[in-house]
Amino acid sequence: EVQLVESGGGLVQPGGSLRLSCAASGFTFSSYDMHWVRQATGKGLEWVSVIGNAGDTYYSGSVKGRFTISRENAKNSLYLQMNSLRAEDTAVYYCAGSKNYMDVWGKGTTVTVSS
Amino acid sequence: DIVMTQSPDSLAVSLGERATINCKSSQSVLYSSNNKIYLAWYQHKPGQPPKLLIYWASTRQSGVPDRFSGSGSGTDFTLTISSLQAEDVAVYYCQQYYSTPFTFGQGTKLEIK
Repeated sequence: EVQLVESGGGLVQPGGSLRLSCAASGFTFSSYDMHWVRQATGKGLEWVSVIGNAGDTYYSGSVKGRFTISRENAKNSLYLQMNSLRAEDTAVYYCAGSKNYMDVWGKGTTVTVSS
Repeated sequence: DIVMTQSPDSLAVSLGERATINCKSSQSVLYSSNNKIYLAWYQHKPGQPPKLLIYWASTRQSGVPDRFSGSGSGTDFTLTISSLQAEDVAVYYCQQYYSTPFTFGQGTKLEIK
C-alpha cells in the first residue's frame, strides 16, 4: 500500500523550532520529488517546499530562509526543519510525492505556534 | 510567481445537476517542448488529505469517477462535475506545477443546493 505518514507536529512558542518527518512506504521514494504543503485553519492549501529526487530544493517566499527541506532515501524519509516560527506558520502540514503532479499524500501533522 | 485565481469562491448546485469551477493562471502553464499543460485539480474534504482528480489539465486520475472532467488551454481552465453527487461536497483547488512556487488557487467550496 502506498503510504506517507507525517510526524513531529506540536505546540511551539513563537521564535522556536520544530522538525517534521514524513515516512514513505509502498513506492520507490528515491524516484519521487517530495513536497510539503500546508493549510491554516479556514484557509486554502499553500505549497511550502519541494526537494527533487536529485536533491535540489525550492521554497515559497513565506518560508525561505527559515525552513529547510531534506530527505534520506536510505530511510525513505522526508524532513522539514522549521526555525524562527511565527503564529502564521500554524497549520496542518502535509507531505506529498510527485513525479510531476502530487499524487501521493499523507494525512498531515498539526503545527501550532503560540505562546 | 504564477498566480492562480479560481471562480467562484463558493458554489451551490442541486443533486444531479452540473457544477463548473473555473481557474485562471497569470501566465501560460503550457510547456511548449512537450505540449503538456502543467495544471492539476484536487478535491479536499475536512479531515482528509487532498485527493488528485485531474492532471495535465484533462487526464482523470485512476479511480476518479467519469463525472469529473477537466478542460482548458493557455491560461483558462475548467473542472466540470457532470451530475453532482452528495459525496462531491468538498473544496476544489487548481494548482500549477509548471514552475516553483507551485501555486494553488484559493479554492472553491462546493455545496448542495
